[in-house]
Amino acid sequence: SQQGEEDPQALSIQEGENATMNCSYKTSINNLQWYRQNSGRGLVHLILIRSNEREKHSGRLRVTLDTSKKSSSLLITASRAADTASYFCATGNRDDKIIFGKGTRLHILP
Amino acid sequence: ETGVTQTPRHLVMGMTNKKSLKCEQHLGHNAMYWYKQSAKKPLELMFVYSLEERVENNSVPSRFSPECPNSSHLFLHLHTLQPEDSALYLCASSQVLRVAYNSPLHFGNGTRLTVT
Repeated sequence: SQQGEEDPQALSIQEGENATMNCSYKTSINNLQWYRQNSGRGLVHLILIRSNEREKHSGRLRVTLDTSKKSSSLLITASRAADTASYFCATGNRDDKIIFGKGTRLHILP
Repeated sequence: ETGVTQTPRHLVMGMTNKKSLKCEQHLGHNAMYWYKQSAKKPLELMFVYSLEERVENNSVPSRFSPECPNSSHLFLHLHTLQPEDSALYLCASSQVLRVAYNSPLHFGNGTRLTVT
């Protein structure tokens, strides 16, 4: 069953701009993870935020988590062409399942 | 090099064929997973193994049969598949199974399966 749901489904921005993607989920979680998938490849883990954390940074990535609203956001600052990919949120649930959303397709325009 | 290797990368098979997908992880992880990725659908968790023991079988049809001979290898045996089974099959591993330990998934690059 689907847990995380990303918004928007697709996003096109100019190189250098910031990209924001959102994720909403339904049940209690232990953690929330963001992954990137380039076309024809597997998913690559970007960042994990625990349920007791509110914000986390990794390079140009910033993730926030609001457990009261059951939502998370991924911000990519100063976007680059290489950031073009699909981005997925995944919830680490208390029944030990990791459930993915449908993803956001991000396209960085030159 | 992702640390998780899947073969073959592409597979075309008829509905009466029998084939197997192979996954190998070089990370020393204890848990391995099969996911199915179809267009416009979320990733679907199919099977989970922890220390070579199957701990999850997510209502997957019996035409898909997993095998985990050791903690480094995972197979997905396929027989009498349907065209709707065409998808990208992804293998993943994690250090431990328990989500509470905050162990992320490491994915292979998948096998693109086409059933004709």
